[in-house]
Amino acid sequence: DAGVIQSPRHEVTEMGQEVTLRCKPISGHNSLFWYRQTMMRGLELLIYFNNNVPIDDSGMPEDRFSAKMPNASFSTLKIQPSEPRDSAVYFCASSLYFGSYEQYFGPGTRLTVT
Amino acid sequence: QKEVEQDPGPLSVPEGAIVSLNCTYSNSAFQYFMWYRQYSRKGPELLMYTYSSGNKEDGRFTAQVDKSSKYISLFIRDSQPSDSATYLCAMRETQGAQKLVFGQGTRLTINP
Repeated sequence: DAGVIQSPRHEVTEMGQEVTLRCKPISGHNSLFWYRQTMMRGLELLIYFNNNVPIDDSGMPEDRFSAKMPNASFSTLKIQPSEPRDSAVYFCASSLYFGSYEQYFGPGTRLTVT
Repeated sequence: QKEVEQDPGPLSVPEGAIVSLNCTYSNSAFQYFMWYRQYSRKGPELLMYTYSSGNKEDGRFTAQVDKSSKYISLFIRDSQPSDSATYLCAMRETQGAQKLVFGQGTRLTINP
């Protein structure tokens, strides 16, 4: 299996622009997670889905952030408009079933907002 | 106060040393404890998983949980340069809980 796939790997954008991050979970996995990692705050859970349905989005920092999962093999995290403080590494992770203790992380998208 | 506290380091030790990594937490409802390893420019990967108090050993790695003190540890014996990475503790409340709360991670370097 190719593992969790994220694109792009790097994104540099200007403040105010829309940013879309993409994730393809491991085939057959039913749960998907979006995390953000910074030096100051560490790894934070933003939102997670089960069977394509958002379960908990309490970690989404502001209304500028939105996430969708239109089908079992694709999810997006959108930031509109982006701000410099959104600069971070964004990880997508998937797990086999709801409640599984192991989450498989993708390689991350390094976002820089100037 | 953060729910999970972890010294970010960095920690640098010579090859072959025993390494001790630790986390403390404040939420007494946490029952499931994990250690993830993250190499530079990569995503975290699960290293160890334990439930409640006690020890669990896997090769050179031992995970220890002391719920009475709200303290967990990861020990690495005979450390190797390939163990150089950031180690993150993570925990959750129940078996079915999806939300993992992570520590900030400790950056570890093993010097040949």
